[in-house]
Amino acid sequence: AQSVTQLGSHVSVSEGALVLLRCNYSSSVPPYLFWYVQYPNQGLQLLLKYTSAATLVKGINGFEAEFKKSETSFHLTKPSAHMSDAAEYFCAVSNTDKLIFGTGTRLQVFP
Amino acid sequence: KAGVTQTPRYLIKTRGQQVTLSCSPISGHRSVSWYQQTPGQGLQFLFEYFSETQRNKGNFPGRFSGRQFSNSRSEMNVSTLELGDSALYLCASSLGTSGRSTGELFFGEGSRLTVL
Repeated sequence: AQSVTQLGSHVSVSEGALVLLRCNYSSSVPPYLFWYVQYPNQGLQLLLKYTSAATLVKGINGFEAEFKKSETSFHLTKPSAHMSDAAEYFCAVSNTDKLIFGTGTRLQVFP
Repeated sequence: KAGVTQTPRYLIKTRGQQVTLSCSPISGHRSVSWYQQTPGQGLQFLFEYFSETQRNKGNFPGRFSGRQFSNSRSEMNVSTLELGDSALYLCASSLGTSGRSTGELFFGEGSRLTVL
């Protein structure tokens, strides 16, 4: 069975600070991993995905994530947070025909 | 290119009633998936339709059903509503090629259902 665990339901950072959102996965096969973002009152939007190519994946809005097989992790980072990054972020793993989402991490950015 | 459109955006029902939600996918997308989002349970997969056939189903009771039309538009229905059905229902479309999901789902803004 495949699953993802997001550590920390809430993360707060100051504007300009590093953003680090943690995701660990469990998968019996080489995983496909994803990060989605949800802004208030909106649906989810794909930030980036890993599908067994380069282990460092760059996404939209300056976000990137690194696939580390030895640590079963796929953490999301951004060097400098903007106020507009405030949203909920979901890590997900592909299970054949569907995505399995983590419980989400709400990111707050303070001025 | 128009995105995924869900209607209605907000609705209020009472226990025991039934509700139908609609989803129009991105043009050319043949797969439509439905998710239920609640604060307590997060995002839970309901079902996926591809070319009018249910291809995958989550762990929800039979009160939750869906269908897909020949133009790829999809509807989901919840009968005999319960208080716990209050949630944001999200529809997502994708090209839906066979095999492992590439994860490129395009989500609508959701239908927020409140059951009183």
